[in-house]
Amino acid sequence: DIQMTQSPSSVSASVGDRVTIACRASQGISSWLVWYQQKPGKAPEVLIYTASTLQSGVPSRFSGSGSGTDFTLTISSLQPEDFATYYCQQGNSFPITFGQGTRLEI
Amino acid sequence: QLQLQESGPGLVKPSETLSLTCIVSGGSISSANYYWGWIRQPPGKALEWVGNIYYSGNTYYNPSLKSRVTISVDTSKNHFSLRLNSVTAADTAVYYCARISVAVRWFDPWGQGTLVTVSS
Repeated sequence: DIQMTQSPSSVSASVGDRVTIACRASQGISSWLVWYQQKPGKAPEVLIYTASTLQSGVPSRFSGSGSGTDFTLTISSLQPEDFATYYCQQGNSFPITFGQGTRLEI
Repeated sequence: QLQLQESGPGLVKPSETLSLTCIVSGGSISSANYYWGWIRQPPGKALEWVGNIYYSGNTYYNPSLKSRVTISVDTSKNHFSLRLNSVTAADTAVYYCARISVAVRWFDPWGQGTLVTVSS
């Protein structure tokens, strides 16, 4: 199984800050990496797929990069609605696996 | 617009079988481009992929659950189902159903999720 490790597990930031979340795969997954945002009591929503492609309707302050084993999600200027938990997920092979999540707090 | 909705009991007794159904509306479950899957999330914890099914009936399961999980599809009713047997308190979670792209293997859209509690 491919293990996905996110860092940090939580981060405190302020509106307007630039934040970067890392995700590392235990083996190469090319660009088969997806980022989700989850707000309390809600289902996750896709932000970015194939490592760097922004999902339709997602603000351009979100961006993704990386390939192989190391990936990052960057939020260029935090907005109040961005405080949530973020997950990475590899789609390279079964079993599909998620990272443990990064909680973004004020 | 495609929508998914989970249904099933919210409380299951230990050692019994958890059964959930995901009703797909606004699109056909028989699309060649998608799998249909289940993901769960214990309270306060991370997401865990349970398994998925293709409209033809081909299945993929999480190895950690494989001995207890069955996912089935009913194309005539446009729904798919999850059965998890011999449940314990560790199976308490919000269970989500979702569509999965065959090409990219990302989950979108998701159902709203349903909390299943295992307790006597």
